[in-house]
Amino acid sequence: EADIYQTPRYLVIGTGKKITLECSQTMGHDKMYWYQQDPGMELHLIHYSYGVNSTEKGDLSSESTVSRIRTEHFPLTLESARPSHTSQYLCASSELGGTDEAFFGQGTRLTVV
Amino acid sequence: DQQVKQNSPSLSVQEGRISILNCDYTNSMFDYFLWYKKYPAEGPTFLISISSIKDKNEDGRFTVFLNKSAKHLSLHIVPSQPGDSAVYFCAAKLGGGSNYKLTFGKGTLLTVNP
Repeated sequence: EADIYQTPRYLVIGTGKKITLECSQTMGHDKMYWYQQDPGMELHLIHYSYGVNSTEKGDLSSESTVSRIRTEHFPLTLESARPSHTSQYLCASSELGGTDEAFFGQGTRLTVV
Repeated sequence: DQQVKQNSPSLSVQEGRISILNCDYTNSMFDYFLWYKKYPAEGPTFLISISSIKDKNEDGRFTVFLNKSAKHLSLHIVPSQPGDSAVYFCAAKLGGGSNYKLTFGKGTLLTVNP
């Protein structure tokens, strides 16, 4: 069973608010990822990290930012939420150079009104 | 440009029969392929994978077949069970070592009817 946790599970927030989506894993994985998924669509990689103090942009441009101050923690921040940010955000982690299996959290369903 | 394609958005099968989910890819540099299963309101969970040097990998009721010349892979579930009802994502890995990224398809919703 994967030990990767995301909070909150669901969030409804007004336009212009600042939000932080939390992601933590207890597996000691170096690599962590944020994916964005809309219903019926593929998962798009928006951010990833190789380890502490490493952050990289993914394939899909995103107005969000991430930080990696601790190995186990990879929060995603939106400074000013907009309705176009409404989506599901999935955090994942994997071993660096190990197996190719990524473990996913349960996701955060964000709705910006 | 979608590099991993799952052209069937949904599939419905009877319990006990075989489910076959298909996936096509365009990038011949992909070297590893994975299938993930996703229940509503949950994150994807890893199901089975296959290296590009193999053409088949089996794990219990799940078998993945890879046809490199056709750039096609398929997931077979036999016998199908109602608990298998979920969205199945095909994913492909590009790059080696620590630099790989996973590219996902849009998923296929499998419904197994009792």
